[in-house]
Amino acid sequence: GESVGLHLPTLSVQEGDNSIINCAYSNSASDYFIWYKQESGKGPQFIIDIRSNMDKRQGQRVTVLLNKTVKHLSLQIAATQPGDSAVYFCAENSSTGFQKLVFGTGTRLLVSP
Amino acid sequence: EPEVTQTPSHQVTQMGQEVILRCVPISNHLYFYWYRQILGQKVEFLVSFYNNEISEKSEIFDDQFSVERPDGSNFTLKIRSTKLEDSAMYFCASNSQATDTQYFGPGTRLTVL
Repeated sequence: GESVGLHLPTLSVQEGDNSIINCAYSNSASDYFIWYKQESGKGPQFIIDIRSNMDKRQGQRVTVLLNKTVKHLSLQIAATQPGDSAVYFCAENSSTGFQKLVFGTGTRLLVSP
Repeated sequence: EPEVTQTPSHQVTQMGQEVILRCVPISNHLYFYWYRQILGQKVEFLVSFYNNEISEKSEIFDDQFSVERPDGSNFTLKIRSTKLEDSAMYFCASNSQATDTQYFGPGTRLTVL
């Protein structure tokens, strides 16, 4: 079946450090991957996405890397700030069609000043 | 910046009662979704909706659930006879094309007593 999983449930970093959040996926047919940020009591907030025809995509302070060979996705946050503290979810589109997103279990990022 | 809105933010109900959760998707979007998140768990897909009909639904979305777009702006999720295990955050999402990013609302916290 489909599954998207995260290696680490909690990541603690110091302000200014670079953060790397990892995600493994199992559906080799997935062609679209997204990272969402969720702050306490709020809905998932889109950060960055990548399609399977790309290996890397950069945004403002964030970079997503996709390794299709090992079915691995990572989110890199440069110069992490206290406001980056949240739970980060990776998600992939389902092979069943439309845009059913399959979410991972989430990684909590804690940024200390 | 346009955003998805949801009401109420918190709904408390007795087991067996009917609840209706309301969403106003982003105005030019055509695809609508409901997801739920049980406390401390990952976000789970419930249903997708396009052109006034359900496109896809998950195993969770049984006969107790229904969705409707009663007018040009609202998108609702109805649970006919709530169970204790229906307690969760319910998120509405929308996008303009099936292949585009889904934008999530802030969620409705449903508590079934």
